[in-house]
Amino acid sequence: GESVGLHLPTLSVQEGDNSIINCAYSNSASDYFIWYKQESGKGPQFIIDIRSNMDKRQGQRVTVLLNKTVKHLSLQIAATQPGDSAVYFCAELFSGGYNKLIFGAGTRLAVHP
Amino acid sequence: DTAVSQTPKYLVTQMGNDKSIKCEQNLGHDTMYWYKQDSKKFLKIMFSYNNKELIINETVPNRFSPKSPDKAHLNLHINSLELGDSAVYFCASSRIAGGNTGELFFGEGSRLTVL
Repeated sequence: GESVGLHLPTLSVQEGDNSIINCAYSNSASDYFIWYKQESGKGPQFIIDIRSNMDKRQGQRVTVLLNKTVKHLSLQIAATQPGDSAVYFCAELFSGGYNKLIFGAGTRLAVHP
Repeated sequence: DTAVSQTPKYLVTQMGNDKSIKCEQNLGHDTMYWYKQDSKKFLKIMFSYNNKELIINETVPNRFSPKSPDKAHLNLHINSLELGDSAVYFCASSRIAGGNTGELFFGEGSRLTVL
């Protein structure tokens, strides 16, 4: 599930399995990262965030891991459900003047029964 | 009760026309944004307003003109539409400029198709 920016990669998983969606970010100075979920026909929705002074943060069924050394972010979804099917975006906050949120390319998660 | 609402949801128009998309948020947020999502789902920031003041203006053709009559509204006007303007345009808002909490609240998008 690596986001490469030129096409929308798809991760297919079986219902009940764990999913791992990966993201590479670009700016080593970024200190705040967010995962968003976008369901078909809807706008992106905030899932979980993490600051650069942490390497792991857990939510309900989701965990975000941050590896600053290699500028890599991952989203783990436990016991994936059909309702998790969506496009997932990582985003980084570019600081300087007014902050702006820059989105990665996105990964489509397809959950099969 | 929709937090960020955009109209219209769908817009089909001819090249060369001028069109507007409206956005309203009822969250009491100070900052609003326009993002463009292309056919590959890539989301790119276009503009941001904080309390009616333009604070972010990415490299967007000047055919695109945002207007914020008050902090709850941010409209996008596009002149002389081109085929490449076809996309889904998302309005979003955040409590703090730049989305420092990371939580941007997005509308459902306005799909623009230029023929």
